[in-house]
Amino acid sequence: GAVVSQHPSWVICKSGTSVKIECRSLDFQATTMFWYRQFPKQSLMLMATSNEGSKATYEQGVEKDKFLINHASLTLSTLTVTSAHPEDSSFYICSAREGSTDTGELFFGEGSRLTVL
Amino acid sequence: GQSLEQPSEVTAVEGAIVQINCTYQTSGFYGLSWYQQHDGGAPTFLSYNALDGLEETGRFSSFLSRSDSYGYLLLQELQMKDSASYFCAVRDDKIIFGKGTRLHILP
Repeated sequence: GAVVSQHPSWVICKSGTSVKIECRSLDFQATTMFWYRQFPKQSLMLMATSNEGSKATYEQGVEKDKFLINHASLTLSTLTVTSAHPEDSSFYICSAREGSTDTGELFFGEGSRLTVL
Repeated sequence: GQSLEQPSEVTAVEGAIVQINCTYQTSGFYGLSWYQQHDGGAPTFLSYNALDGLEETGRFSSFLSRSDSYGYLLLQELQMKDSASYFCAVRDDKIIFGKGTRLHILP
């Protein structure tokens, strides 16, 4: 199956700093990537849909100025958490669909666990 | 709005069969997916139903009834490694996940 790689896996930062998370599709081109956030023992909450070459589409309640998404190429999308605070501590996961054939399958990155001190 | 309902927890015995139900209410619908997630890991895809009926993949099967807005995941011959959280997800123009069902397996 298709491979999505996410980096870093773990990040610890001080309150007020910004953190960038990268999501790459390694063996396919992804015109669309999705960013999810997951708190412990909870579901995956869709934050935004990242479209290559255009602005991301954010879900209601997600601050676009705080969670900056850039999808500069068909294989790379980045999420930057700006001025991070402890309440932003969470598991952030990116995902992508492969190709035009709809199998309903999303390929997920390994996830990035952010801890803001 | 969109909502997906699934039980929060299910317990079963090793070797048994367990069914995890999912009902959904969404503005659009292309299909229903199921994902497995172990603690600390990323979700992995299990199955997808776009049409009514049963899809079988090894020990796992998934069923969909579009008219009832209902689906289920059936796990057979349960193994201890199947202990995980299972999420149903509706595909619209994006994919929205249910709250997840934590499956506990007893030896």
